[in-house]
Amino acid sequence: KAGVTQTPRYLIKTRGQQVTLSCSPISGHRSVSWYQQTPGQGLQFLFEYFSETQRNKGNFPGRFSGRQFSNSRSEMNVSTLELGDSALYLCASSGRGADGELFFGEGSRLTVL
Amino acid sequence: KNEVEQSPQNLTAQEGEFITINCSYSVGISALHWLQQHPGGGIVSLFMLSSGKKKHGRLIATINIQEKHSSLHITASHPRDSAVYICAVSPGNQFYFGTGTSLTVIP
Repeated sequence: KAGVTQTPRYLIKTRGQQVTLSCSPISGHRSVSWYQQTPGQGLQFLFEYFSETQRNKGNFPGRFSGRQFSNSRSEMNVSTLELGDSALYLCASSGRGADGELFFGEGSRLTVL
Repeated sequence: KNEVEQSPQNLTAQEGEFITINCSYSVGISALHWLQQHPGGGIVSLFMLSSGKKKHGRLIATINIQEKHSSLHITASHPRDSAVYICAVSPGNQFYFGTGTSLTVIP
């Protein structure tokens, strides 16, 4: 069974640009959640999607958005990038959401210059 | 205000030692997760708990819902156990994370 796939793995952007990250969950999983990991703040929850509906959102500004498609693949978008957005962005898939086992992707490492 | 507190932050052990990592939380939860992250690596889910105790090989996780506390135990620790261990709690479709415990096991 293929794992969770995140693309791209690494990317460099400049301030003010926008970025779109993709996450393909394990086949059959309908829940995809996104996280930001930085050395200073650790892991922080961004949002969770289940069957194309956002069920919850963490404490991030509106520049951070996401969506989920009918095949459960998910994208997150960060607009008007700031230096502080440099981080490892992780997604996880689950068959049940927060009450189920989480399977993480390798992450997308974003550097904002 | 930190919804999840982990201790210790750093831990160094000799190979073969019994290790305990603690997690206390302040919110009502539907599930608690223990995660493992190797340096430069991705995150692996070790346990998902809503009550009681679970065991996988040398790893044991317990949770006390009334006391809002969980522990992760590693028996007969090995250098390959060196990693960051993260406690995460879910009140329902969102997560709060501990800051992690960095474990180093010396041969």
